[in-house]
Amino acid sequence: KAGVTQTPRYLIKTRGQQVTLSCSPISGHRSVSWYQQTPGQGLQFLFEYFSETQRNKGNFPGRFSGRQFSNSRSEMNVSTLELGDSALYLCASSTRGDEQFFGPGTRLTVL
Amino acid sequence: AQKVTQAQTEISVVEKEDVTLDCVYETRDTTYYLFWYKQPPSGELVFLIRRNSFDEQNEISGRYSWNFQKSTSSFNFTITASQVVDSAVYFCALSERSNMLTFGGGTRLMVKP
Repeated sequence: KAGVTQTPRYLIKTRGQQVTLSCSPISGHRSVSWYQQTPGQGLQFLFEYFSETQRNKGNFPGRFSGRQFSNSRSEMNVSTLELGDSALYLCASSTRGDEQFFGPGTRLTVL
Repeated sequence: AQKVTQAQTEISVVEKEDVTLDCVYETRDTTYYLFWYKQPPSGELVFLIRRNSFDEQNEISGRYSWNFQKSTSSFNFTITASQVVDSAVYFCALSERSNMLTFGGGTRLMVKP
């Protein structure tokens, strides 16, 4: 079975721009969660989607948004990028109530 | 509110030594799950184990073992006869009745030859 894939793997943007990251879950997994990892704040939960509906949301500003498609693929969008948004963004997929499997992440650098 | 604390930020051992990584958690829920993940330099989080709050049985998987004690809210992870390939950052995590994981700050393990 193929694992969780994330594209792109690396991204460089400038302040004020917006960015869209993509995540393809493991086949059959309907839950997709997103996490932000920074040296200062560690790993923090952004949001979770299940069957195209946002089920949980972390404590992030509205500039961070996401969506899930009918094939369970998910995208997250960050608008009006700030320097502090530089981070590794990790996506995880799972079946309901099961362990989460993580993708390799997208490393975003904001200049 | 849920919280996970990994007090050891960095541990250095010599190959073949045993090492224990500590994890202490806080939750008000009686139903919860505890996890350990490994993050090698590549960045991907590798799932190691999941335990639910009703199963305090310790688990062993090869050189890895886990000790879950509800009385002290701890879920410690021991690597026996450590190897250089075990060098990574290890994260303990907690989830309550959802897929939202709350992670500890991580412990960087360095195993020297």
